[in-house]
Amino acid sequence: TQLLEQSPQFLSIQEGENLTVYCNSSSVFSSLQWYRQEPGEGPVLLVTVVTGGEVKKLKRLTFQFGDARKDSSLHITAAQPGDTGLYLCAGGGSQGNLIFGKGTKLSVKP
Amino acid sequence: GAGVSQSPSNKVTEKGKDVELRCDPISGHTALYWYRQRLGQGLEFLIYFQGNSAPDKSGLPSDRFSAERTGESVSTLTIQRTQQEDSAVYLCASSLRRYNEQFFGPGTRLTVL
Repeated sequence: TQLLEQSPQFLSIQEGENLTVYCNSSSVFSSLQWYRQEPGEGPVLLVTVVTGGEVKKLKRLTFQFGDARKDSSLHITAAQPGDTGLYLCAGGGSQGNLIFGKGTKLSVKP
Repeated sequence: GAGVSQSPSNKVTEKGKDVELRCDPISGHTALYWYRQRLGQGLEFLIYFQGNSAPDKSGLPSDRFSAERTGESVSTLTIQRTQQEDSAVYLCASSLRRYNEQFFGPGTRLTVL
């Protein structure tokens, strides 16, 4: 069974701080996606990483895919209140669906 | 163009009643997915449609759950004889093809009293 574990489960920080959230699995994934979900809305895709060791940057967000394609991290520099939300990682399941982690709930206080 | 839409946005029902949830995917998207999200939890895969192929129903939690999709358009998720543990947000997503980026609707919040 393919599982994705995310840590930490909850994170509360002050505006301007840096943070890293993690997504780990014992399985190899051909790609991993990161989504952000705000209350009352569906998840929105932030990035897809496909190559082991790949690093992608999206403004203040840096995504890394592990060399063995079993793990990924999301680093946010100088967090803003607008970064508040639930961050979900997802990997492609064998049936064509996405397998989601349980998410990291981030709260950035002004 | 329009995104994925779902209706109703909220549904309150009594235990034992049947409910039907609707999803309108993005036009041209061949893949459609249903997920369940319990409060404070991640997304639980329910069912996946790809074109005219037989759907992958491996995530449906019981035979009270069923879903249909007409061609590459609207899908309905039906829950029969609802139970309190069915209370959750039901999310629909569509993608251009299998393994592509999934676009999510806003979800239907189901409350079973």
